[in-house]
Amino acid sequence: SQTIHQWPATLVQPVGSPLSLECTVEGTSNPNLYWYRQAAGRGLQLLFYSVGIGQISSEVPQNLSASRPQDRQFILSSKKLLLSDSGFYLCAWSVHGTGEYFGPGTRLTVT
Amino acid sequence: SQQGEEDPQALSIQEGENATMNCSYKTSINNLQWYRQNSGRGLVHLILIRSNEREKHSGRLRVTLDTSKKSSSLLITASRAADTASYFCATALNTGGFKTIFGAGTRLFVKA
Repeated sequence: SQTIHQWPATLVQPVGSPLSLECTVEGTSNPNLYWYRQAAGRGLQLLFYSVGIGQISSEVPQNLSASRPQDRQFILSSKKLLLSDSGFYLCAWSVHGTGEYFGPGTRLTVT
Repeated sequence: SQQGEEDPQALSIQEGENATMNCSYKTSINNLQWYRQNSGRGLVHLILIRSNEREKHSGRLRVTLDTSKKSSSLLITASRAADTASYFCATALNTGGFKTIFGAGTRLFVKA
C-alpha cells in the first residue's frame, strides 16, 4: 500500500534562516506531487505541483522553491524565511485523478 | 478568486443528527472531492464524484453533484462526536486534472 512521509512534524526557525522540508512517497510510481500551505483556520493554498522528476510548476510568486530530485521525493525550500512563511505545510500525491493523499503536515513557525 | 467555497463556515449539531455541508464552484470541473481534516492533521480523502455522476454514497456519507448549479453537498447521517472535524471540498479542473483547488472548509462540531 502507498504511504507518504513528511518531516519534520514541527519546526521553529528564525527570520532569515533557510528551510528544507522533505516529502517522500512509497508504494507508487510516477505520482503527481503537491505542496500546499494552510493558514490557521483556512483552506489550502497550492504552492507547487510536479508531474515528474525535475518538473515543477509554481502556483504563486513567493519566497519558496520546490525540487523533485527523485520520482518519489519532493522538497520545499527557502533561502531566507520571512515571518509570513509561517503556516502548516502539507505534501500530497495523486495518480490517475483519483484524489489526493496527504502527509501528516509540518507546522512551521518563523520567529 | 477561490474555486470552491463551502457553506456554512461552521456547523454545530447534536450527536445523532444529520449534517449537511454545501460547496459551490465557478468553472467546469473534471471531478469534485470531499476531504476531512482533524485539527492539526493532514487531510483525509473521503469521496470523489465525477462530473458525469449525480450522487455517490460511502457508509454514512452521501455526496450529490449538480453541475448545472455548480454545486455539491456532503451529507453525514447519524453524526457522531468523532465526526468533529473540518470538511473541505476540492475541484479538479477540466485542464488535465493535475491541479485541485480547495475551498476554505466547513468546521463541524458534533456534541455528544
